Amino acid sequence: QKEVEQDPGPLSVPEGAIVSLNCTYSNSAFQYFMWYRQYSRKGPELLMYTYSSGNKEDGRFTAQVDKSSKYISLFIRDSQPSDSATYLCAMRMDSGGGADGLTFGKGTHLIIQP
Amino acid sequence: DAGVIQSPRHEVTEMGQEVTLRCKPISGHDYLFWYRQTMMRGLELLIYFNNNVPIDDSGMPEDRFSAKMPNASFSTLKIQPSEPRDSAVYFCASSPDESATNEKLFFGSGTQLSVL
Repeated sequence: QKEVEQDPGPLSVPEGAIVSLNCTYSNSAFQYFMWYRQYSRKGPELLMYTYSSGNKEDGRFTAQVDKSSKYISLFIRDSQPSDSATYLCAMRMDSGGGADGLTFGKGTHLIIQP
Repeated sequence: DAGVIQSPRHEVTEMGQEVTLRCKPISGHDYLFWYRQTMMRGLELLIYFNNNVPIDDSGMPEDRFSAKMPNASFSTLKIQPSEPRDSAVYFCASSPDESATNEKLFFGSGTQLSVL
């Protein structure tokens, strides 16, 4: 079983729809959870960051973590064509310092149809 | 700030040739990472540096790969000799030492490497 599982898609939805992107993981030691957005031919950029369980909202984006189910989600409201990109989840353990141990999902390719 | 700068953007080479990828991190960032991205394996950490010192190179696939960071503003990833299975997008990323977590990585635009 892979440490982080993410459906590669593509996921195609009409403009204005609510999008739900998800990752599951197997390592219960993960404490920090991130979503990165990657446009074609670009590097990933950090979109959302949460610590432990709960929700975090930033504009049209909401990140949700359910540690009991080992499941994280990213919701996009009022989706726009400019949201079309690959979304990668990432997570790391509470190692107490340093930047190692960041595990990425393979990414979900999202297409917003105008 | 211009962000993380990588060169070249594209590299096409023949099997057996030496390849050198270059990276200029964001000024003031203490951490520098080299990642490789493929469809099959996703984003994989190859090596990372803290204050120019290699900390963890366990992701480097084999001895053909080497990385250096001679100063705070420059790093190289070298593959010698290159093989077709090395074809991938190679990303450099840097991170500030703002906290103990260092979860925010700033990525460059990557180098698309094709080994024929």
